[in-house]
Amino acid sequence: EAGVAQSPRYKIIEKRQSVAFWCNPISGHATLYWYQQILGQGPKLLIQFQNNGVVDDSQLPKDRFSAERLKGVDSTLKIQPAKLEDSAVYLCASSGLRGGSRSYEQYFGPGTRLTVT
Amino acid sequence: DQQVKQNSPSLSVQEGRISILNCDYTNSMFDYFLWYKKYPAEGPTFLISISSIKDKNEDGRFTVFLNKSAKHLSLHIVPSQPGDSAVYFCAVKSNYQLIWGAGTKLIIKP
Repeated sequence: EAGVAQSPRYKIIEKRQSVAFWCNPISGHATLYWYQQILGQGPKLLIQFQNNGVVDDSQLPKDRFSAERLKGVDSTLKIQPAKLEDSAVYLCASSGLRGGSRSYEQYFGPGTRLTVT
Repeated sequence: DQQVKQNSPSLSVQEGRISILNCDYTNSMFDYFLWYKKYPAEGPTFLISISSIKDKNEDGRFTVFLNKSAKHLSLHIVPSQPGDSAVYFCAVKSNYQLIWGAGTKLIIKP
């Protein structure tokens, strides 16, 4: 079974530029998550999709961040314009086990390390 | 306001000895707890979990203990091996999401 795929793995941009990240979850997983992980901190949830609908985007800075999952499969996360404080690792995760406690087990991609200069 | 705290940023343990990683949480309503392991340049991977109806769950060398009255959980690794060197995150289920601690970097010395 293929894991969660993310691209690019690394990205360096200047502040005020835009950037997009792509994620392909594990086949059949209905739930997709985007996290931001700043060095020395735990992952912070940005947005959660169930199929192609948004479950929670309360911590997404909507003035500059956007995300979509048009066909309920892969997803893109965009930042426009980027700020210095957006430097972080952006992790995509998916889950799909229905029912019971195991539905909370999330499977992560390798992440995209973003550096904003 | 951190709901999940891992107060030790790092821990160094001799190979073959026991590693104990700790996690504290603030909300007594939390009912499901998970540990993840993360290697550099990789995403976190699920390690072990425990429901609040239990106080212990064991999987091979890994055991998680839950003390609900103290709102504390711990992960024991016995015996510790070099491949266990990684960052360990505890996470708790809140509604349909996970709230994460800041992680503890475990270093296993040969």
